[in-house]
Amino acid sequence: DTGVSQDPRHKITKRGQNVTFRCDPISEHNRLYWYRQTLGQGPEFLTYFQNEAQLEKSRLLSDRFSAERPKGSFSTLEIQRTEQGDSAMYLCASRSGLAGSDTQYFGPGTRLTVL
Amino acid sequence: AQKVTQAQTEISVVEKEDVTLDCVYETRDTTYYLFWYKQPPSGELVFLIRRNSFDEQNEISGRYSWNFQKSTSSFNFTITASQVVDSAVYFCALSHHSGGGADGLTFGKGTHLIIQP
Repeated sequence: DTGVSQDPRHKITKRGQNVTFRCDPISEHNRLYWYRQTLGQGPEFLTYFQNEAQLEKSRLLSDRFSAERPKGSFSTLEIQRTEQGDSAMYLCASRSGLAGSDTQYFGPGTRLTVL
Repeated sequence: AQKVTQAQTEISVVEKEDVTLDCVYETRDTTYYLFWYKQPPSGELVFLIRRNSFDEQNEISGRYSWNFQKSTSSFNFTITASQVVDSAVYFCALSHHSGGGADGLTFGKGTHLIIQP
């Protein structure tokens, strides 16, 4: 059973550019989560999907951010017109939808640096 | 709103000492989950334990033990006979019970644990 994978692991971009990250959850996990972690802080919840439906979005998710999970498997997180404040680690997690399976398993993250 | 407080920003101990990491939480939910995750220098969050709000039994797993006290809203984590490999940032987290729908985790700011040889 492979874990959650994320691609790329590192991304350096210039301010104003668009970036897209991909997350592949553990197979058969129907819930998928995105978090952002800045230096010295704990992860902060951004959004989550149950299958292909995006069910919750944090107020941290500005209109420059969009997330999709078109077929209920992998997910993408896009940031448009990046700003230096977007520099962070973007973490993806998944979990099973079965009752009692409430543990989220995290991927290695994508570290974004906006110059 | 939910909140998790880890008051200890950094703890440094010598190998083989016991160390306790504190976690205090706030929630209005009657059912919820508490978690501990470890984040080594590589950056990946590693799941350690999950505890239901209705299960106050303490748990021991090898050198790790957890003390959940609902009366004081605390979920503390103790490492016995610490080892250098335990050096990492440890996060306490809280979520709604999944039956309540949205269950994004609320994390504390983490405690950086340094085990010196």
